[in-house]
Amino acid sequence: AQSVTQPDIHITVSEGASLELRCNYSYGATPYLFWYVQSPGQGLQLLLKYFSGDTLVQGIKGFEAEFKRSQSSFNLRKPSVHWSDAAEYFCAVGESGGYNKLIFGAGTRLAVHP
Amino acid sequence: SAVISQKPSRDICQRGTSLTIQCQVDSQVTMMFWYRQQPGQSLTLIATANQGSEATYESGFVIDKFPISRPNLTFSTLTVSNMSPEDSSIYLCSVGSNGNTIYFGEGSWLTVV
Repeated sequence: AQSVTQPDIHITVSEGASLELRCNYSYGATPYLFWYVQSPGQGLQLLLKYFSGDTLVQGIKGFEAEFKRSQSSFNLRKPSVHWSDAAEYFCAVGESGGYNKLIFGAGTRLAVHP
Repeated sequence: SAVISQKPSRDICQRGTSLTIQCQVDSQVTMMFWYRQQPGQSLTLIATANQGSEATYESGFVIDKFPISRPNLTFSTLTVSNMSPEDSSIYLCSVGSNGNTIYFGEGSWLTVV
């Protein structure tokens, strides 16, 4: 069965520091991978997605993620964090073929210190 | 990208009552889904809303508790029936669109008292 693991429940970084949020998935075929962000009191916003091709994916708000098949990982990165990046981040995997349901990780809550 | 509108955005309901949440999309979409996010938790899929047929429910969710309608390719409803405080959650509508991207509505924040 598909599953997604986000090992870090909480992460705190200083503003301007780099960020990496970890995501590991379990799926037999080529997965469709997503990162979403949820700010307090808000819905989910798509940051980026990976279906195929270049394993380094650029997203909105300066985020990027790298798909590593050998490690079953899809880690999210940002070179310099802004205070407004404080939010909950969810990694999700969908069945290949698209238009399908997503399995979400538990989420990582990011706090940003000034 | 697809624009998804959910109503109501928030509500406080009495236990034992039912509430219907509406999801309207600005374009025709193939797939529509309903998720639940309990306080402090991640998202869990309730069901896939199928146009013209009965919804497909995930394990742990049943039609009597969460009846779903999808009369066309742009609209769906989720009803939370006979509510209890444990149903207090965010309910999110999701659609598949534009090259397999999955979009979410802003969610309906439900509190049962």
